[in-house]
Amino acid sequence: QKEVEQDPGPLSVPEGAIVSLNCTYSNSAFQYFMWYRQYSRKGPELLMYTYSSGNKEDGRFTAQVDKSSKYISLFIRDSQPSDSATYLCAHIYNQGGKLIFGQGTELSVKP
Amino acid sequence: GAGVSQTPSNKVTEKGKYVELRCDPISGHTALYWYRQSLGQGPEFLIYFQGTGAADDSGLPNDRFFAVRPEGSVSTLKIQRTERGDSAVYLCASSPPGGGKGYNEQFFGPGTRLTVL
Repeated sequence: QKEVEQDPGPLSVPEGAIVSLNCTYSNSAFQYFMWYRQYSRKGPELLMYTYSSGNKEDGRFTAQVDKSSKYISLFIRDSQPSDSATYLCAHIYNQGGKLIFGQGTELSVKP
Repeated sequence: GAGVSQTPSNKVTEKGKYVELRCDPISGHTALYWYRQSLGQGPEFLIYFQGTGAADDSGLPNDRFFAVRPEGSVSTLKIQRTERGDSAVYLCASSPPGGGKGYNEQFFGPGTRLTVL
């Protein structure tokens, strides 16, 4: 079993839709949970990170972590064509360690 | 300020050849990471440097892969006797010294796209 499983997509939604992206993980030792966004032919960039269970909001983005079920989600409200990218969930054991990524979900928001 | 830069942006080589991929981290960043991303997959960890030394090289797939960071800044990933299966995007990331507060963000470069024919 992979340490991080992510719905591969691709996912296509109309502009303005609410998008839900999900990951499950197997190792309860993970401490930090993050979402990265990767545009085509670019490196990943950090969208959000969280440490504890619960919700964290940043503008149109909400990250949700449920440590009891080892499940994390990213919600995008009022999706825009500029949100079209691959979204990667990632986890880390501690501050300085390696990132463990899911396989990524390719999102396309159609105008 | 300048982000992480990687050269070359694209590299095409023949099976069996040797290649070097270069990473220039953000100035002042002490930690440097290499990842490999195959098509349709998330990045996979290769090696992590803290300063000049490799703190974790558990992701290097075999002894054909080697990385150095001799002065604690620029790093070079070296691949010997390349194979077609080595074709991927090689990503470098750097992060600043840890402050003990939360996640120490890794900043990624654009990657080097390696194609082995």
